[in-house]
Amino acid sequence: QKEVEQNSGPLSVPEGAIASLNCTYSDRGSQSFFWYRQYSGKSPELIMFIYSNGDKEDGRFTAQLNKASQYVSLLIRDSQPSDSATYLCAVKVGGSARQLTFGSGTQLTVLP
Amino acid sequence: GAVVSQHPSWVICKSGTSVKIECRSLDFQATTMFWYRQFPKQSLMLMATSNEGSKATYEQGVEKDKFLINHASLTLSTLTVTSAHPEDSSFYICSAISPTQETQYFGPGTRLLVL
Repeated sequence: QKEVEQNSGPLSVPEGAIASLNCTYSDRGSQSFFWYRQYSGKSPELIMFIYSNGDKEDGRFTAQLNKASQYVSLLIRDSQPSDSATYLCAVKVGGSARQLTFGSGTQLTVLP
Repeated sequence: GAVVSQHPSWVICKSGTSVKIECRSLDFQATTMFWYRQFPKQSLMLMATSNEGSKATYEQGVEKDKFLINHASLTLSTLTVTSAHPEDSSFYICSAISPTQETQYFGPGTRLLVL
């Protein structure tokens, strides 16, 4: 079992819809969770991070964390064609570990 | 967010030559930086963790003598690909941890093509 799993997609949604991206992780000791966006040919860009159970909203983005289910998701409201990218879920286990474990990414396409 | 730069953004070299890539944290001090490699349509692969003032920690399968890492200051880490071969052609990306937020910020990446 991979440590961080994401559906590879591609996920297609129409413009204006809500895009829902999901991620599960295997290590119950994981404490910090991150979502990055990576456009084709570019490096990843941090969108959001979440540490506590529940929802965290930032503009059109909402991260949701459920540690009991070992599940983290990213919702994108009012999706725009410019949101089309690969979204990477990353997890940091607690303690002294500083590196992130990345999922393989979900490719999102927002259709105009 | 924090700013991380990389230089060069593109490099083309002949097989057998060495290539140095620089990674700089521009507005914060980073005791830890990471080097990743990404092949087309594949996910990020962590190569090594670069710690200021000490030896880098390499991931399994990454040759430390081929990928030399130097983290001589709190704002600069370098990756040298020694005796590069065509199979080393890839997108090399560094990241740095912001000490205040414990989040990783990525540089823009360096695309290496070995002929």
